[in-house]
Amino acid sequence: GAGVSQSPSNKVTEKGKDVELRCDPISGHTALYWYRQSLGQGLEFLIYFQGNSAPDKSGLPSDRFSAERTGGSVSTLTIQRTQQEDSAVYLCASSLLNTLSTDTQYFGPGTRLTVL
Amino acid sequence: AQRVTQPEKLLSVFKGAPVELKCNYSYSGSPELFWYVQYSRQRLQLLLRHISRESIKGFTADLNKGETSFHLKKPFAQEEDSAMYYCALTGGGGNKLTFGTGTQLKVEL
Repeated sequence: GAGVSQSPSNKVTEKGKDVELRCDPISGHTALYWYRQSLGQGLEFLIYFQGNSAPDKSGLPSDRFSAERTGGSVSTLTIQRTQQEDSAVYLCASSLLNTLSTDTQYFGPGTRLTVL
Repeated sequence: AQRVTQPEKLLSVFKGAPVELKCNYSYSGSPELFWYVQYSRQRLQLLLRHISRESIKGFTADLNKGETSFHLKKPFAQEEDSAMYYCALTGGGGNKLTFGTGTQLKVEL
């Protein structure tokens, strides 16, 4: 079936504007993750949704960042009042919930965000 | 705090030469270790995980708890191995991954 999809693939915005990034996980995957890939920082965890549990928001860099997952499927990452340091590739991943071991995370193609 | 260190940003080898991509970690419990790979213009994908103890595309990695290392090895590099490689760990149970900064492997003819 289809893999994880993300939209848009590229987003250019002006400093101070709000942006929304979308992730469609693999059908049936109950866990969803957001990561950020930026120059010099590597891949950083942002937020993690697991089934109906409260999300793990421990990686969000500031209160300008938020995410939601509606109906246990699609997720939206919102960045308010964007800053130039927010420029990065935002990756989404999903996995089956497996309590016995860590299931494989399948990554989307990413959204490249450029803040001018 | 958990941390993954990949000391080499770039590793350049000739085709047919052995490859070793280094990865060291710090974690207070029993982590699960992974290697992810990103080929040019492709998405990030899992290469192998230590609990599987398998060889993928000729690559192997052994978890050394004494040295807190999980180096990735291949005896004979191939041109198609050129890619970005990330070492990662998790505490287990389907949780977030902590990644290293990655090593760009370049296999030259």
